[in-house]
Amino acid sequence: SQQGEEDPQALSIQEGENATMNCSYKTSINNLQWYRQNSGRGLVHLILIRSNEREKHSGRLRVTLDTSKKSSSLLITASRAADTASYFCATDAGSNTGKLIFGQGTTLQVKP
Amino acid sequence: DVKVTQSSRYLVKRTGEKVFLECVQDMDHENMFWYRQDPGLGLRLIYFSYDVKMKEKGDIPEGYSVSREKKERFSLILESASTNQTSMYLCASTLGQGARNEQFFGPGTRLTVL
Repeated sequence: SQQGEEDPQALSIQEGENATMNCSYKTSINNLQWYRQNSGRGLVHLILIRSNEREKHSGRLRVTLDTSKKSSSLLITASRAADTASYFCATDAGSNTGKLIFGQGTTLQVKP
Repeated sequence: DVKVTQSSRYLVKRTGEKVFLECVQDMDHENMFWYRQDPGLGLRLIYFSYDVKMKEKGDIPEGYSVSREKKERFSLILESASTNQTSMYLCASTLGQGARNEQFFGPGTRLTVL
């Protein structure tokens, strides 16, 4: 079953602009994670935000979490062509098993 | 750095063949996972394992089996490959159970079944 749904499915921006991607989920969670996938490669972990946190920063990344709306957003500031990739949110659906449920992803293209 | 490796980047097999996809991690992680990734469907969990010789079904286990004889190695087996198993297969590992553990992914195996 699909837990995370990303929006938009695709995003195209110019280098230097900010990119915002949204994720909605259905069940309670312990934490929410964001991953990045370059074309044809495996996923790389970007950031984890716990259910009792509202905002978290890591370099040019800013993640927010609104548990009342069951949604999260990933903001990439001052985007670069190298940020071109697909971005996925993943939740644990309230489980402590280590299993994650991934959304379908947002494909970001940053034009130089 | 954690390293997760997969035996092949690209694989072409024929319908009915038995296919083995191997995954090895070098950080003594307890948990290992197999996903398949298809356009428009995201990542779907096939099987996972908490420990040696332990396995649990994920969301789409039909047509697949797994083997974990050693802690570092988790194999995905397609007993009789079919064209609808053409996909990108991703292996991941994580340290122990717990909700705060990030998953480390291998580079993926793109399997084509003719």
